[in-house]
Amino acid sequence: AQKITQTQPGMFVQEKEAVTLDCTYDTSDPSYGLFWYKQPSSGEMIFLIYQGSYDQQNATEGRYSLNFQKARKSANLVISASQLGDSAMYFCAMKGVSSYKLIFGSGTRLLVRP
Amino acid sequence: ETGVTQSPTHLIKTRGQQVTLRCSSQSGHNTVSWYQQALGQGPQFIFQYYREEENGRGNFPPRFSGLQFPNYSSELNVNALELDDSALYLCASSTGDRWDEQYFGPGTRLTVT
Repeated sequence: AQKITQTQPGMFVQEKEAVTLDCTYDTSDPSYGLFWYKQPSSGEMIFLIYQGSYDQQNATEGRYSLNFQKARKSANLVISASQLGDSAMYFCAMKGVSSYKLIFGSGTRLLVRP
Repeated sequence: ETGVTQSPTHLIKTRGQQVTLRCSSQSGHNTVSWYQQALGQGPQFIFQYYREEENGRGNFPPRFSGLQFPNYSSELNVNALELDDSALYLCASSTGDRWDEQYFGPGTRLTVT
């Protein structure tokens, strides 16, 4: 079975500071992909970043980076230089080689303070 | 490039009724997945369609059914609505490549009274 755990229901960060959102996962698949999505209050899920389990380097996309620690089964999202528009729900998700579906965590609500 | 669209935006139905939700895939995508997101939770996978065939199904009863059309647009049908079906229903399209990201639509907010 696959499972995603996000232990931070809510987080605050000061504008322009960096913040780390935690994600741990469990899977028996030998190969898998990890995804982060942002969900503003409008409801649409916006893809942020992807990390493959066999990728040697941590993924980066602009202000987003993924701190992938395979042995610890963690895939934390780091947002640098937070902006007010970063206030939203953030979901960690995974897909295994044996599956076609995304498994989501329960999400973390991030609030950026001015 | 046209993004994923869904209709309607909001819907209110009565318990026992039937509902059809619609999704138009992003251009070039042949795979559509549907998710149910209850309030305060992460999305739960309902099913996926690839080139008009159901490609996989989550833990949802048979009263949740779907279709995918030759233009890769899709419908989600829910029969005999229950109060617990109240949720945001998200449609996502992708190219079908296993590791490709899924592009989500804005969702349909269904309320069952």
